[in-house]
Amino acid sequence: GENVEQHPSTLSVQEGDSAVIKCTYSDSASNYFPWYKQELGKRPQLIIDIRSNVGEKKDQRIAVTLNKTAKHFSLHITETQPEDSAVYFCAALNTGTASKLTFGTGTRLQVTL
Amino acid sequence: DTGVSQDPRHKITKRGQNVTFRCDPISEHNRLYWYRQTLGQGPEFLTYFQNEAQLEKSRLLSDRFSAERPKGSFSTLEIQRTEQGDSAMYLCASSLGSGIFNEQFFGPGTRLTVL
Repeated sequence: GENVEQHPSTLSVQEGDSAVIKCTYSDSASNYFPWYKQELGKRPQLIIDIRSNVGEKKDQRIAVTLNKTAKHFSLHITETQPEDSAVYFCAALNTGTASKLTFGTGTRLQVTL
Repeated sequence: DTGVSQDPRHKITKRGQNVTFRCDPISEHNRLYWYRQTLGQGPEFLTYFQNEAQLEKSRLLSDRFSAERPKGSFSTLEIQRTEQGDSAMYLCASSLGSGIFNEQFFGPGTRLTVL
Protein backbone atom coordinates (compact mmCIF):
# COMPACT_ATOMS: atom_id res chain seq x y z
CA GLY A 1 0.00 0.00 0.00
CA GLU A 2 0.86 3.66 -0.10
CA ASN A 3 3.25 5.12 2.45
CA VAL A 4 3.67 8.87 2.92
CA GLU A 5 6.54 10.40 4.86
CA GLN A 6 6.50 14.02 5.95
CA HIS A 7 9.12 16.30 7.41
CA PRO A 8 9.93 18.25 9.39
CA SER A 9 7.68 17.27 12.28
CA THR A 10 7.94 20.77 13.75
CA LEU A 11 8.82 24.05 12.12
CA SER A 12 9.18 27.45 13.71
CA VAL A 13 9.48 30.56 11.55
CA GLN A 14 9.29 34.27 12.16
CA GLU A 15 6.33 36.19 10.84
CA GLY A 16 6.96 37.19 7.24
CA ASP A 17 9.38 34.36 6.55
CA SER A 18 8.64 31.41 4.27
CA ALA A 19 7.90 27.86 5.38
CA VAL A 20 8.45 24.67 3.40
CA ILE A 21 7.09 21.24 4.26
CA LYS A 22 8.13 18.18 2.27
CA CYS A 23 6.49 14.82 1.66
CA THR A 24 7.49 11.68 -0.19
CA TYR A 25 5.19 8.89 -1.33
CA SER A 26 5.85 5.32 -2.33
CA ASP A 27 3.12 4.37 -4.82
CA SER A 28 3.92 5.71 -8.27
CA ALA A 29 0.25 5.28 -9.21
CA SER A 30 -0.85 7.97 -6.73
CA ASN A 31 -2.15 10.93 -8.69
CA TYR A 32 -3.86 13.28 -6.24
CA PHE A 33 -2.04 15.09 -3.45
CA PRO A 34 -3.99 17.32 -1.04
CA TRP A 35 -2.70 19.36 1.86
CA TYR A 36 -4.82 19.80 4.97
CA LYS A 37 -4.50 22.34 7.77
CA GLN A 38 -5.69 21.33 11.21
CA GLU A 39 -5.96 23.87 14.00
CA LEU A 40 -6.04 22.66 17.58
CA GLY A 41 -9.27 20.82 18.30
CA LYS A 42 -10.68 21.42 14.84
CA ARG A 43 -11.31 19.38 11.71
CA PRO A 44 -8.72 19.02 8.93
CA GLN A 45 -9.43 21.52 6.17
CA LEU A 46 -8.15 21.34 2.62
CA ILE A 47 -5.93 24.28 1.77
CA ILE A 48 -4.57 23.24 -1.63
CA ASP A 49 -4.26 20.15 -3.77
CA ILE A 50 -2.39 19.09 -6.88
CA ARG A 51 -2.88 16.39 -9.46
CA SER A 52 -0.13 14.43 -11.14
CA ASN A 53 -0.58 16.13 -14.50
CA VAL A 54 0.53 19.44 -12.97
CA GLY A 55 3.95 20.32 -11.60
CA GLU A 56 3.03 23.36 -9.56
CA LYS A 57 -0.04 25.12 -8.26
CA LYS A 58 -0.34 28.41 -6.44
CA ASP A 59 -3.09 30.06 -4.44
CA GLN A 60 -2.13 33.44 -3.00
CA ARG A 61 0.55 32.79 -0.35
CA ILE A 62 0.38 29.01 -0.69
CA ALA A 63 1.98 26.89 -3.40
CA VAL A 64 2.51 23.19 -3.91
CA THR A 65 5.11 21.55 -6.16
CA LEU A 66 5.15 17.96 -7.35
CA ASN A 67 8.06 15.91 -8.68
CA LYS A 68 6.58 12.67 -10.01
CA THR A 69 9.94 11.17 -10.91
CA ALA A 70 11.28 11.58 -7.39
CA LYS A 71 7.85 10.94 -5.84
CA HIS A 72 7.87 13.96 -3.64
CA PHE A 73 5.77 17.06 -3.20
CA SER A 74 6.14 20.17 -1.11
CA LEU A 75 4.03 22.89 0.45
CA HIS A 76 5.37 26.43 0.38
CA ILE A 77 3.88 29.21 2.48
CA THR A 78 5.24 32.70 1.88
CA GLU A 79 4.89 35.79 4.07
CA THR A 80 3.78 33.68 7.00
CA GLN A 81 1.32 35.11 9.50
CA PRO A 82 0.47 34.03 13.07
CA GLU A 83 -2.82 32.55 11.84
CA ASP A 84 -0.82 30.11 9.72
CA SER A 85 0.18 28.38 12.96
CA ALA A 86 -1.36 24.89 12.86
CA VAL A 87 -0.58 21.28 12.01
CA TYR A 88 -0.28 20.59 8.29
CA PHE A 89 -0.82 17.15 6.77
CA CYS A 90 0.06 15.99 3.30
CA ALA A 91 -1.77 13.06 1.75
CA ALA A 92 -1.73 10.91 -1.36
CA LEU A 93 -4.42 9.07 -3.28
CA ASN A 94 -4.72 6.90 -6.36
CA THR A 95 -8.07 8.03 -7.72
CA GLY A 96 -8.26 5.09 -10.08
CA THR A 97 -8.18 2.22 -7.62
CA ALA A 98 -8.74 3.59 -4.14
CA SER A 99 -10.52 6.36 -2.39
CA LYS A 100 -8.67 6.34 0.89
CA LEU A 101 -6.26 9.13 1.59
CA THR A 102 -2.92 8.09 3.05
CA PHE A 103 -1.70 10.87 5.31
CA GLY A 104 1.73 11.93 6.44
CA THR A 105 2.45 12.29 10.14
CA GLY A 106 1.99 16.05 10.16
CA THR A 107 4.10 19.17 10.61
CA ARG A 108 3.42 21.53 13.48
CA LEU A 109 4.09 25.04 12.17
CA GLN A 110 4.55 27.86 14.62
CA VAL A 111 4.79 31.41 13.34
CA THR A 112 6.35 33.70 15.90
CA LEU A 113 6.05 37.47 16.06
CA ASP B 1 -24.81 24.16 8.34
CA THR B 2 -24.17 22.28 5.11
CA GLY B 3 -20.90 20.64 6.19
CA VAL B 4 -20.22 17.15 7.53
CA SER B 5 -21.59 16.70 11.03
CA GLN B 6 -20.77 14.10 13.66
CA ASP B 7 -22.44 13.12 16.89
CA PRO B 8 -21.49 12.98 19.68
CA ARG B 9 -18.49 15.28 19.73
CA HIS B 10 -17.10 13.63 22.85
CA LYS B 11 -17.67 10.22 24.37
CA ILE B 12 -16.22 8.84 27.58
CA THR B 13 -16.84 5.19 28.25
CA LYS B 14 -15.57 2.39 30.41
CA ARG B 15 -13.55 -0.44 28.97
CA GLY B 16 -15.78 -3.22 27.72
CA GLN B 17 -18.74 -1.01 26.85
CA ASN B 18 -20.13 -0.57 23.33
CA VAL B 19 -20.25 2.83 21.66
CA THR B 20 -21.86 4.10 18.47
CA PHE B 21 -21.02 7.23 16.54
CA ARG B 22 -23.00 8.92 13.81
CA CYS B 23 -21.89 10.85 10.74
CA ASP B 24 -24.07 12.96 8.46
CA PRO B 25 -22.25 13.74 5.21
CA ILE B 26 -22.80 16.65 2.87
CA SER B 27 -26.15 15.83 1.28
CA GLU B 28 -25.13 15.32 -2.33
CA HIS B 29 -21.97 13.34 -1.54
CA ASN B 30 -22.15 9.66 -2.38
CA ARG B 31 -18.87 8.66 -0.74
CA LEU B 32 -18.35 8.52 3.01
CA TYR B 33 -15.15 7.68 4.87
CA TRP B 34 -14.18 6.92 8.43
CA TYR B 35 -10.70 7.72 9.72
CA ARG B 36 -9.10 7.45 13.14
CA GLN B 37 -6.61 10.01 14.43
CA THR B 38 -4.45 9.59 17.50
CA LEU B 39 -2.48 12.39 19.13
CA GLY B 40 0.39 13.60 16.99
CA GLN B 41 -0.51 11.46 14.00
CA GLY B 42 -2.28 11.92 10.72
CA PRO B 43 -5.71 10.42 10.15
CA GLU B 44 -5.64 6.68 9.38
CA PHE B 45 -8.20 5.18 7.03
CA LEU B 46 -10.74 2.76 8.52
CA THR B 47 -13.44 2.20 5.91
CA TYR B 48 -15.41 3.81 3.12
CA PHE B 49 -18.82 3.62 1.52
CA GLN B 50 -20.07 4.46 -1.91
CA ASN B 51 -23.76 5.03 -1.42
CA GLU B 52 -24.83 2.17 0.89
CA ALA B 53 -22.09 -0.26 -0.17
CA GLN B 54 -19.05 -0.66 2.07
CA LEU B 55 -16.30 -0.98 -0.52
CA GLU B 56 -13.13 -1.09 1.52
CA LYS B 57 -12.08 -1.84 5.08
CA SER B 58 -8.69 -1.33 6.63
CA ARG B 59 -6.90 -4.06 8.51
CA LEU B 60 -7.08 -1.61 11.43
CA LEU B 61 -10.79 -2.38 11.60
CA SER B 62 -10.93 -5.36 13.91
CA ASP B 63 -13.96 -7.60 14.41
CA ARG B 64 -15.08 -5.28 17.20
CA PHE B 65 -15.67 -2.48 14.72
CA SER B 66 -18.63 -2.31 12.39
CA ALA B 67 -19.87 0.46 10.15
CA GLU B 68 -23.11 0.88 8.27
CA ARG B 69 -24.67 3.30 5.85
CA PRO B 70 -28.10 1.77 5.41
CA LYS B 71 -29.76 4.28 3.09
CA GLY B 72 -26.71 5.79 1.54
CA SER B 73 -27.03 8.91 3.67
CA PHE B 74 -25.83 8.96 7.28
CA SER B 75 -23.43 6.37 8.63
CA THR B 76 -22.80 4.78 12.01
CA LEU B 77 -19.59 3.36 13.41
CA GLU B 78 -19.95 0.96 16.32
CA ILE B 79 -17.16 -0.27 18.55
CA GLN B 80 -17.97 -3.26 20.70
CA ARG B 81 -16.14 -4.18 23.92
CA THR B 82 -14.07 -1.02 23.86
CA GLU B 83 -10.41 -1.14 24.85
CA GLN B 84 -8.15 1.66 26.06
CA GLY B 85 -6.32 1.49 22.74
CA ASP B 86 -9.51 2.59 20.99
CA SER B 87 -9.16 6.05 22.53
CA ALA B 88 -8.77 8.42 19.59
CA MET B 89 -10.53 11.00 17.45
CA TYR B 90 -12.86 9.35 14.94
CA LEU B 91 -13.23 11.48 11.85
CA CYS B 92 -15.82 11.16 9.14
CA ALA B 93 -15.36 12.65 5.68
CA SER B 94 -17.44 12.77 2.52
CA SER B 95 -16.83 13.45 -1.15
CA LEU B 96 -18.64 13.48 -4.46
CA GLY B 97 -16.22 10.79 -5.53
CA SER B 98 -16.68 11.03 -9.24
CA GLY B 99 -14.44 12.36 -11.95
CA ILE B 100 -12.28 15.14 -10.64
CA PHE B 101 -14.25 15.66 -7.46
CA ASN B 102 -11.89 13.98 -5.07
CA GLU B 103 -11.82 16.52 -2.26
CA GLN B 104 -12.77 14.93 1.02
CA PHE B 105 -14.55 17.21 3.48
CA PHE B 106 -14.05 16.31 7.11
CA GLY B 107 -16.43 16.50 10.02
CA PRO B 108 -15.44 17.84 13.45
CA GLY B 109 -14.79 14.34 14.79
CA THR B 110 -15.89 12.33 17.81
CA ARG B 111 -13.29 12.15 20.54
CA LEU B 112 -13.49 8.79 22.31
CA THR B 113 -11.90 8.25 25.70
CA VAL B 114 -11.94 4.72 27.07
CA LEU B 115 -11.25 4.55 30.80
